Amino acid sequence: GQQVMQIPQYQHVQEGEDFTTYCNSSTTLSNIQWYKQRPGGHPVFLIQLVKSGEVKKQKRLTFQFGEAKKNSSLHITATQTTDVGTYFCAGRGIYNQGGKLIFGQGTELSVKP
Amino acid sequence: GAGVSQSPRYKVAKRGQDVALRCDPISGHVSLFWYQQALGQGPEFLTYFQNEAQLDKSGLPSDRFFAERPEGSVSTLKIQRTQQEDSAVYLCASSRLAGEEDTQYFGPGTRLTVL
Repeated sequence: GQQVMQIPQYQHVQEGEDFTTYCNSSTTLSNIQWYKQRPGGHPVFLIQLVKSGEVKKQKRLTFQFGEAKKNSSLHITATQTTDVGTYFCAGRGIYNQGGKLIFGQGTELSVKP
Repeated sequence: GAGVSQSPRYKVAKRGQDVALRCDPISGHVSLFWYQQALGQGPEFLTYFQNEAQLDKSGLPSDRFFAERPEGSVSTLKIQRTQQEDSAVYLCASSRLAGEEDTQYFGPGTRLTVL
């Protein structure tokens, strides 16, 4: 079945350093979404990428969708302590009906002040 | 409502007990999803409803798991004869329409612990 792999599993950075998490799907995706989950919280939607090669920015966050629509990345510039949490990518296969999401394992980000 | 709500927030069950977990989606949302999130893992899809119709239940791990949404709004996930491996956070999500590009809004989850 469809799988979504995400690396790294953990990332510890000093405040002000950059952070990147990568997501790879075993199959071509219709679209990909990114979520943030704070400790003890639930996934909160960040963004959706639909087009091949798409790049979107939200302040210090940059999201990319690969040309083949099988991989994606999230880059945070100059991390802050408020960025702490686990970042998940979630893909929708091109044959999925109804929008079922396949989540990666997540990258847990810790930021040392 | 303002968001997706779930109850109870925490549930402790003895092995073999039946449990029922409730989800109240955002009012008017057509699609409703259930996911299971084990500790340190990403959410895993369980089942999907479009209004009252259960269109995909391919993620339900066994026939002990049953979900319903009889009136197309509130949904209940029932687990019969709970096992320790059922311990996880059960997340409900809803989306406004049935399109594959629709944003899913997650509830706070129910943390189930089976002793």
